[in-house]
Amino acid sequence: DTGVSQDPRHKITKRGQNVTFRCDPISEHNRLYWYRQTLGQGPEFLTYFQNEAQLEKSRLLSDRFSAERPKGSFSTLEIQRTEQGDSAMYLCASSFIGGSIQYFGAGTRLSVL
Amino acid sequence: SQQGEEDPQALSIQEGENATMNCSYKTSINNLQWYRQNSGRGLVHLILIRSNEREKHSGRLRVTLDTSKKSSSLLITASRAADTASYFCATDASTVRAGNQFYFGTGTSLTVIP
Repeated sequence: DTGVSQDPRHKITKRGQNVTFRCDPISEHNRLYWYRQTLGQGPEFLTYFQNEAQLEKSRLLSDRFSAERPKGSFSTLEIQRTEQGDSAMYLCASSFIGGSIQYFGAGTRLSVL
Repeated sequence: SQQGEEDPQALSIQEGENATMNCSYKTSINNLQWYRQNSGRGLVHLILIRSNEREKHSGRLRVTLDTSKKSSSLLITASRAADTASYFCATDASTVRAGNQFYFGTGTSLTVIP
């Protein structure tokens, strides 16, 4: 499979726990994006990387959220001390630099109890 | 925040009919894209129209763009049950200075009844 893959597909956690999601982009893509999507809404931009550099972060990305892309390949998104309001679908996408089209993974659905 | 708003929020049609959904946005853009999302899945890119284009076709899809009204429409002709999904417009106003300005709208939920 040469598309964007995300792991896990579903995560159920208790409030206050830390969770980490992984995204493997299309291998030739330099840019990697994270989005959050709540029910009935469109995806909302969280952050993006160009190679290993995190170039931009949305104000939605509170200090409990951290993202990394250490070698410019896969990326992780960690949420510390989860809250019920963090329950959402977390989507990863990748693209070429200067490419307008983003290719999405299937997402990780997080449920915080 | 989400720049675009789709209209209608929900649309239900019979198989074989055409489906039209609209998107309005707020700022100048480089291009506008439409994506489809099946329930619980990621988004799939459908079509891109650049700011200097007015109409574009791809198979059963027809997209129009009116930059003076800051609006776009997506027409799906001869709809099929498999077209049942949510459809999102996404505007791209990214520049070197402004950085990433890629925003999705709120989506139209399309149901095609067999």
